[in-house]
Formats: sequence, structure tokens, C-alpha cells
Amino acid sequence: GDSVTQMEGPVTLSEEAFLTINCTYTATGYPSLFWYVQYPGEGLQLLLKATKADDKGSNKGFEATYRKETTSFHLEKGSVQVSDSAVYFCAPLSGGYNKLIFGAGTRLAVHP
Amino acid sequence: EPEVTQTPSHQVTQMGQEVILRCVPISNHLYFYWYRQILGQKVEFLVSFYNNEISEKSEIFDDQFSVERPDGSNFTLKIRSTKLEDSAMYFCASSEAPGDEQYFGPGTRLTVT
Repeated sequence: GDSVTQMEGPVTLSEEAFLTINCTYTATGYPSLFWYVQYPGEGLQLLLKATKADDKGSNKGFEATYRKETTSFHLEKGSVQVSDSAVYFCAPLSGGYNKLIFGAGTRLAVHP
Repeated sequence: EPEVTQTPSHQVTQMGQEVILRCVPISNHLYFYWYRQILGQKVEFLVSFYNNEISEKSEIFDDQFSVERPDGSNFTLKIRSTKLEDSAMYFCASSEAPGDEQYFGPGTRLTVT
């Protein structure tokens, strides 16, 4: 079945450091891909998306590129801030377009 | 900005009791979903709902679970007889169309004692 593998956390960085959170998936066809973020004590917020191969999703300085050949959707940010501290979830949409398949989540902690 | 809302934010119930979790999806959305997240674990899909019917459900969504859209705005998840292992955060989500981004509510934390 469809599945997602995210790099394990926690990821601890200093402010202004470069961030990469790896995500690879197995899925039927070429699903839309999403990154969601969960700030402490809050729900899931859509961070960015890509709907087809080579698309780049971006939002709030975060980027991720849909790599069909490696079935990956790695999240990057050039300069993280303390306010980026949260749990990040990679989530492809299943082949039936009805459900998101979530990775285990990667906790990011950014220190001043 | 439109958002998905959920009530209550926290529900405590005794094992064997029925609970109803409520959600108000974004008003022009037609597709609705429930997910859950057991503490420290992944977010798991439970069910999707469109046009007053279940579109897809997971193995978790057994006969103890049901969903309903009782009126034009609410979308509910009922657990008939709660078990300890039902303790989790339950998230409602909605989307405008299949394949579109899903917008999540803040969640209801269900604690079964």
C-alpha cells in the first residue's frame, strides 16, 4: 500500500541555519504531495503542495520539489527562525484521492 | 479566512460510553474527512465522506464508528461504545474537491478512562 518515510527527528538547529527534512513515498501513480506543519498545541496547517512532477511548492520561505524519479519531496528552508519550531508532516494523497497518507512527522527545534 | 472548527476541544468519557465529535467544515467544501492521532504516533485516516455517503474508510473505522452530516453545516463522528484505545486527537478536514488540499480543524482530544 501507499506509505511515507520521513527522516527521524528531532532536528535541532540554530537560528538562520539551513533546513532539510527528507521525505520519500511509495504510491500508485503520481499523487499530489503535501507538507503540513503542526505548531505546539495546534492543529495541522497546510504548508505547501505540489501536484505534478517537477512542480515546486513554496510558502513562508519553505520549498519542496516533486521528484518523480526518486519519489521524494524533501522540505527545505534557507534560514530557519525560532518560530519555525514545530512538527512537520509529509503527506502524499492516496491513489483514490480520498485520503492523505501521513509520515511519522519530524520535530524541528530552532534555538536562538 | 475560512477555517474548519471542531467542538469540543477536549472530551473525557468513560469506557463504553457514546461520544459525538462535531465539526463545521469550510462552507463551500463538499468533501469531508476524519483523521486521528494517538499520542506520539502518526496521523491516521479514518473516513472520507461526500454527497452524504462514505467514500472510503480505513480498517480502524469499524462498526463502532459512524459519520453523519445532520444539517447543512455540521459533520459529526460518533463512537458508539468507546474503548481505552480510542483515546486520541481527532481531526476533521474538508476540501473543495477530491485531490485538492485538505484543511484541518484544531482537533478534539478524546480521553477514554
